[in-house]
Amino acid sequence: NAGVTQTPKFQVLKTGQSMTLQCAQDMNHEYMSWYRQDPGMGLRLIHYSVGAGITDQGEVPNGYNVSRSTTEDFPLRLLSAAPSQTSVYFCASRRKRSGLHEQYFGPGTRLTVT
Amino acid sequence: GENVEQHPSTLSVQEGDSAVIKCTYSDSASNYFPWYKQELGKRPQLIIDIRSNVGEKKDQRIAVTLNKTAKHFSLHITETQPEDSAVYFCAASKVGKGDMRFGAGTRLTVKP
Repeated sequence: NAGVTQTPKFQVLKTGQSMTLQCAQDMNHEYMSWYRQDPGMGLRLIHYSVGAGITDQGEVPNGYNVSRSTTEDFPLRLLSAAPSQTSVYFCASRRKRSGLHEQYFGPGTRLTVT
Repeated sequence: GENVEQHPSTLSVQEGDSAVIKCTYSDSASNYFPWYKQELGKRPQLIIDIRSNVGEKKDQRIAVTLNKTAKHFSLHITETQPEDSAVYFCAASKVGKGDMRFGAGTRLTVKP
């Protein structure tokens, strides 16, 4: 199993550009989430999904869109990049079934917006 | 939504000493509390977790305690080693719910 994969690893955008961060998992996990990590602020939840076709907002959803058309993929779209979105983005997934709660993280995408 | 607070933000100990990191949560319905370790430039990885029907859980040198009444839980690392140096995050969620919220992290430094 590849686990949770993310592309790209690094990205530089200009203010106002849009882009999609890709996330995929091959563990058949129902739950998937996107977090951003900024120094001193921990991991903040952007959006999450409990299954294909179902998404919900987390703590910091503004400026981001998500969709979940398949169990495997959960892309994060930046609509109009702003310098405040410079961060490291982690995708994560876990099982819904009771007793299997461990959340697995992808390797992260380091995004810089200039 | 759930709010998780974590203290201290930095912690420095001598090798062999114990380290304790504390977290509080706001939603009394939360019932799953994991701890993650993140080394520099790496992804967070689960080191131990606890469910609300248990008060304490131990795995070799690490242990987690949970006080549901006070809504706080703690990570205890004994006999610390330099390789324990990392950022540690606590988190809280409800079993069967998709969102997991994290604390702001504690940077632990173990001095040889």
